[in-house]
Amino acid sequence: DGGITQSPKYLFRKEGQNVTLSCEQNLNHDAMYWYRQDPGQGLRLIYYSQIVNDFQKGDIAEGYSVSREKKESFPLTVTSAQKNPTAFYLCASSIQGVTEAFFGQGTRLTVV
Amino acid sequence: AQKVTQAQTEISVVEKEDVTLDCVYETRDTTYYLFWYKQPPSGELVFLIRRNSFDEQNEISGRYSWNFQKSTSSFNFTITASQVVDSAVYFCALRLAGGDSWGKLQFGAGTQVVVTP
Repeated sequence: DGGITQSPKYLFRKEGQNVTLSCEQNLNHDAMYWYRQDPGQGLRLIYYSQIVNDFQKGDIAEGYSVSREKKESFPLTVTSAQKNPTAFYLCASSIQGVTEAFFGQGTRLTVV
Repeated sequence: AQKVTQAQTEISVVEKEDVTLDCVYETRDTTYYLFWYKQPPSGELVFLIRRNSFDEQNEISGRYSWNFQKSTSSFNFTITASQVVDSAVYFCALRLAGGDSWGKLQFGAGTQVVVTP
């Protein structure tokens, strides 16, 4: 089935450690995105990528990094510089920037 | 800067009642796109509808209907004859058409809909 796969579903991290969240899509979409969701709030854009080997910062990029070496993959690294990383992270993709985005099932990251 | 406001934090209804979710947006651009997404307890956002700024025609899809009014910058969503499976958080979102806003979805805070039997 075509779709977006995020792994793992739950992730626990110790303070001071970097952690990488995986996002893979087989929809042949050019654009991919990472959003962060905090309880009771809407989604906020962390990073997005329009094409392979290119990506731009979103509204809350500090403390995060990404790569886009392959069209189907857009991993997100939460670094130790992110002050409050505990959140629900959602990956999405779309054909173009103005079409609807399709989302993965999310990764819930908890810092312990 | 663009903004999306969903003033209703939570709406509780009894099954078979209708429920209307409000969405008000702000943008100075003349070309933009509006979306509604549903987030069930599983967490994945499910796309429901996309509307272009130049198309004010309202739409009905099964028990769902949408009312887009540019004059009031509103894009409201109604669920008719609600069911327990409609319980979820619903998000309204705005996307501009060009410039450095390419691809960015601006989300509202979401409205939690609780449908009880």
